[in-house]
Amino acid sequence: DAKTTQPPSMDCAEGRAANLPCNHSTISGNEYVYWYRQIHSQGPQYIIHGLKNNETNEMASLIITEDRKSSTLILPHATLRDTAVYYCIAHQGSGGSNYKLTFGKGTLLTVNP
Amino acid sequence: DSGVTQTPKHLITATGQRVTLRCSPRSGDLSVYWYQQSLDQGLQFLIQYYNGEERAKGNILERFSAQQFPDLHSELNLSSLELGDSALYFCASSVAPRPDYGYTFGSGTRLTVV
Repeated sequence: DAKTTQPPSMDCAEGRAANLPCNHSTISGNEYVYWYRQIHSQGPQYIIHGLKNNETNEMASLIITEDRKSSTLILPHATLRDTAVYYCIAHQGSGGSNYKLTFGKGTLLTVNP
Repeated sequence: DSGVTQTPKHLITATGQRVTLRCSPRSGDLSVYWYQQSLDQGLQFLIQYYNGEERAKGNILERFSAQQFPDLHSELNLSSLELGDSALYFCASSVAPRPDYGYTFGSGTRLTVV
């Protein structure tokens, strides 16, 4: 898996957009970018994933740069309940037999009232 | 409720003992993953099963073992427990053994070894 680098912590005001960056400069062509989050001591929650194109779902948007070396997870209107550790993971989506997602330290996003 | 059920939620046991953690995957999911989360190590992948067969292994200790049964539930057995085994143990499931299907995690079992 390509190494990912995230800031250890970020703050965001409630109601504003939260933009969480992730650097994955060594990502290979068949590796997807996955985002999960973990609210204190709860099980991690899948947010979104993408390969090349930008993706959007009901939770968030994922913007991947054209060279695929970095990406940004956007929570459009952050709420207090979005306070969590956000993990960015680069991993191949299919093929081979190595399907274990490796979680790093992630970014602690604190949404302030 | 994520649909992945883990029991028990909390477990306190003594060093040297053996425990079994249970996971029922979300309906329709065939693949089960086990993760360990301790304060100093973060989320560590232990092992993965798909439809009863072991598919991937992480840094799982020899004292730990797991299996997935025909009804697709999975059990993680931890033996000769040490203080350092105290952690949150999460189970996740997915339709197929591919991360692009998204993993659904359970709420975890908190194991305390005293």
